Amino acid sequence: GDSVTQMEGPVTLSEEAFLTINCTYTATGYPSLFWYVQYPGEGLQLLLKATKADDKGSNKGFEATYRKETTSFHLEKGSVQVSDSAVYFCALSERSGGSNYKLTFGKGTLLTVNP
Amino acid sequence: DTGVSQDPRHKITKRGQNVTFRCDPISEHNRLYWYRQTLGQGPEFLTYFQNEAQLEKSRLLSDRFSAERPKGSFSTLEIQRTEQGDSAMYLCASSLALTSGGANEQFFGPGTRLTVL
Repeated sequence: GDSVTQMEGPVTLSEEAFLTINCTYTATGYPSLFWYVQYPGEGLQLLLKATKADDKGSNKGFEATYRKETTSFHLEKGSVQVSDSAVYFCALSERSGGSNYKLTFGKGTLLTVNP
Repeated sequence: DTGVSQDPRHKITKRGQNVTFRCDPISEHNRLYWYRQTLGQGPEFLTYFQNEAQLEKSRLLSDRFSAERPKGSFSTLEIQRTEQGDSAMYLCASSLALTSGGANEQFFGPGTRLTVL
């Protein structure tokens, strides 16, 4: 079945540091790939997505490129801020019969950014 | 607020009791999903509705769990004879089917945190 493996945390960085959170996936077909973020006390929010190979998703300074050859979708940001402190989830969506596009999530990576 | 809402936000119950959670999706969304999230894990899929039809259930959804979406709008998730292992965050998400088919963004509610004593 489908699965997502992401870098274990927690990750602690200083403000303005470079961020990479690794994510690899296993899927039977051609999934869409997502990064969701969960800020303290809030629900899951979509951060960015990519729907086909070589697509780059970007939002709020974060980027991730859909790499089919390495089955990866690593999240990067050039200069993190304290406000980026959150849990980040990598996820994939693949049609599971009919119209079901359920999400399969990784375990999440807790990021803490210190001033 | 036009986002996904869930009620209650927190529920504490004793083992063996029944509980019911409600999810109100974004009004025009025809797809609705339930997920369960335990501490330190990502959300896991439980069940999926397209309009009022429940089209898929995970093996995680034992016979004690039942979900409905009677008019294709709000949905309820009921757990009968709760067990301590049911303690988790229950998340609801909704999305709008694309006319071209394919995945679309799922919008998540804040979740209902269930604690079974």
